[in-house]
Amino acid sequence: GAVVSQHPSWVICKSGTSVKIECRSLDFQATTMFWYRQFPKQSLMLMATSNEGSKATYEQGVEKDKFLINHASLTLSTLTVTSAHPEDSSFYICSAAGTSGPTDTQYFGPGTRLTVL
Amino acid sequence: DAKTTQPTSMDCAEGRAANLPCNHSTISGNEYVYWYRQIHSQGPQYIIHGLKNNETNEMASLIITEDRKSSTLILPHATLRDTAVYYCIVRVGAAGNKLTFGGGTRVLVKP
Repeated sequence: GAVVSQHPSWVICKSGTSVKIECRSLDFQATTMFWYRQFPKQSLMLMATSNEGSKATYEQGVEKDKFLINHASLTLSTLTVTSAHPEDSSFYICSAAGTSGPTDTQYFGPGTRLTVL
Repeated sequence: DAKTTQPTSMDCAEGRAANLPCNHSTISGNEYVYWYRQIHSQGPQYIIHGLKNNETNEMASLIITEDRKSSTLILPHATLRDTAVYYCIVRVGAAGNKLTFGGGTRVLVKP
């Protein structure tokens, strides 16, 4: 149980284009989903938190107009990187937490590697 | 959330127990200790969590000191596939509460 998937697993795009990444909780309902970014040899950094049906909360320094997050259902959240540039190249990872217990453990997807040329 | 301190790296022998320490001296009464690991180029994998009692599951054991200021993750029989970065994170338990990742411990299991 507690499986989270991401699609695509990797993507290469040209500078100036937009890229959409999907995150799905396959066997549980995720009331909250999180998006992280990880640069090489660094730790994960939280970008935003989203709750189903409401606007995402972005961490300080993360541009909400550039990284659009939609959490339309209890099993799906999407991250759209708009007008991507080479500096946006990174490993993007989502996680999902449900309401299965008092601690609501977060489970992570496998990640999406974005390369912007 | 309280901060944690972990060794930067450690080696351990295949087949032996691996003991990973974590200090969280400013932990609050309602904060849980979570352990995740990240194998190269993959998303983090949940291992175990606890509040104050010791916990065990199919992957590992978690030993939390009585004062809750430190904990140890034990991998009972390390295999080469346990080579990963291990993160100890302290967090108030609730779905909306974020995880803050530090540098973790880079564990290398050697044959």
